[in-house]
Amino acid sequence: EDQVTQSPEALRLQEGESSSLNCSYTVSGLRGLFWYRQDPGKGPEFLFTLYSAGEEKEKERLKATLTKKESFLHITAPKPEDSATYLCAVYRGDQKLVFGQGTRLTINP
Amino acid sequence: NAGVTQTPKFQVLKTGQSMTLQCAQDMNHNSMYWYRQDPGMGLRLIYYSASEGTTDKGEVPNGYNVSRLNKREFSLRLESAAPSQTSVYFCASTGTGTSVTDTQYFGPGTRLTVL
Repeated sequence: EDQVTQSPEALRLQEGESSSLNCSYTVSGLRGLFWYRQDPGKGPEFLFTLYSAGEEKEKERLKATLTKKESFLHITAPKPEDSATYLCAVYRGDQKLVFGQGTRLTINP
Repeated sequence: NAGVTQTPKFQVLKTGQSMTLQCAQDMNHNSMYWYRQDPGMGLRLIYYSASEGTTDKGEVPNGYNVSRLNKREFSLRLESAAPSQTSVYFCASTGTGTSVTDTQYFGPGTRLTVL
């Protein structure tokens, strides 16, 4: 059975303190891995798609990387506005995404 | 472009009542999805529609029905609501046909409480 596990469940950082969020997966025939950001009371907002091991993508203070078993979302010098829940999801090419449970990130000023 | 819109934003039902959640997208997407999100559980797929005229069950379809009214609209119906259906419901859409991994775009959600 396909599984997506995110860690940690919650992470609290000081402003400027860099860290990484992990998304490990077991899925046959991965076609893509997605990262989303979700603010309280809102729907998930697309961040990145990664297609193959070794691929990296960046957006502002965020960088996503992918290996054959996991993906990392690296946050460099975060600001309070980066506080949100970050979701990852895997796609097998069957029209369906399988989501992890999310990491709730809090950046203290 | 409004993207994906959902109505209502909030709803409180009594056990046994029925209701329909509405979703519409203006991005000319082929595929549409209904998810529920519960604390600690992530997003779980209820039903999806790969194209107009087709619907399929997802991970947690029991207690729900769907209708793909046309290319733009995809509704989710609770025939007899139960407290276990208290959740936040999200609609999403994808698929302009340009990529096998087209991004799913989400609506703002409907917060449903069943008493």
